[in-house]
Amino acid sequence: AQSVTQLGSHVSVSEGALVLLRCNYSSSVPPYLFWYVQYPNQGLQLLLKYTSAATLVKGINGFEAEFKKSETSFHLTKPSAHMSDAAEYFCAVSLDNQGGKLIFGQGTELSVKP
Amino acid sequence: DAGVIQSPRHEVTEMGQEVTLRCKPISGHDYLFWYRQTMMRGLELLIYFNNNVPIDDSGMPEDRFSAKMPNASFSTLKIQPSEPRDSAVYFCASRRTANTGELFFGEGSRLTVL
Repeated sequence: AQSVTQLGSHVSVSEGALVLLRCNYSSSVPPYLFWYVQYPNQGLQLLLKYTSAATLVKGINGFEAEFKKSETSFHLTKPSAHMSDAAEYFCAVSLDNQGGKLIFGQGTELSVKP
Repeated sequence: DAGVIQSPRHEVTEMGQEVTLRCKPISGHDYLFWYRQTMMRGLELLIYFNNNVPIDDSGMPEDRFSAKMPNASFSTLKIQPSEPRDSAVYFCASRRTANTGELFFGEGSRLTVL
């Protein structure tokens, strides 16, 4: 069965610093991979998705992620953190042949220090 | 367009009472998902529907939980009888068939069972 593992339940960076949130997936077939963001007291919203096209995927708010099959990874990065990036980030995997249900990782809370 | 609408946003009830959570998906979306979020277990997929038909309810915790989708614009998640361990935020999400993994989430219903 497919799954995702997010390394680090909490990441803290300074404003302007690089953001790196790690995600590794497990899947026997090429997966679809996603990053979602959740701001306090809100639902999740899609940041970006990988669906077997380009391996470097750009999303909203300056975030991007790179699919690396050899490492089974899909890490999320942003060159320069902003205070408004503080939120919880979820990596997710989906297999289209399973009706597209989305399986989420445990989440990583990002804190941004001034 | 209006997003996914959930009600109530907050519910406090006593153990043993019946709880009904409601969801209106985005018009034109033919998949609907119910997720539960807790600190301990993260985001869990409870059940999802395609064209109003339940496809996978393997995540429903036990018989106390039931979900229906009588038409394309309405779904309910019912807990009867409720227990303190059901306390969580329940999210409804919807998507179009063509957009695997691109879920649109409601703002959630925060349930507290005393």
